[in-house]
Amino acid sequence: DAGVIQSPRHEVTEMGQEVTLRCKPISGHDYLFWYRQTMMRGLELLIYFNNNVPIDDSGMPEDRFSAKMPNASFSTLKIQPSEPRDSAVYFCASSLAGAYTIYFGEGSWLTVV
Amino acid sequence: QKEVEQDPGPLSVPEGAIVSLNCTYSNSAFQYFMWYRQYSRKGPELLMYTYSSGNKEDGRFTAQVDKSSKYISLFIRDSQPSDSATYLCAANTGTASKLTFGTGTRLQVTL
Repeated sequence: DAGVIQSPRHEVTEMGQEVTLRCKPISGHDYLFWYRQTMMRGLELLIYFNNNVPIDDSGMPEDRFSAKMPNASFSTLKIQPSEPRDSAVYFCASSLAGAYTIYFGEGSWLTVV
Repeated sequence: QKEVEQDPGPLSVPEGAIVSLNCTYSNSAFQYFMWYRQYSRKGPELLMYTYSSGNKEDGRFTAQVDKSSKYISLFIRDSQPSDSATYLCAANTGTASKLTFGTGTRLQVTL
């Protein structure tokens, strides 16, 4: 089975540019999560969806961040405009309803210069 | 204060040593406790899972939860260089609810 697929794996962009990260969850999973990982703050939940509906976006740092899930097999996390402090690894994860664990993708490594 | 606290390390041990990794948490509603292992430049993957208090053993790994003291532990026996990774503890209040992670402890097992 294919795992959670994220793209791009690496992105280097200039401050002020728009960044779009993409995620394909594991087929059949009901939940999709976006996490951000930094050395200082560890893994932080940004937003999660259940059946394509955003349930909790309280972790989204500010209005520059937005996430969508137009269908069960695709989600995007957008940052506009990007800032150097957004540099981090962004992970997408998915899980089944009733499951106790989530499955992570390999991450998108974002550097904003 | 973070809901799940973890010493970031790094922790360096010789091959064959017993490793103890620990976390504390503050949310009394947490019921499910997990340990994830993250290799360099990879996503975290589930290593161990425990419900409520108690111990759980899987090969060289033992997970332990003490809800009275809000303490989570992972023990690794006969540590191997392949165990070198970052170990993240995590907890949530119920299945499919959002996981709260510690910041991770970086472990290095040397030959």
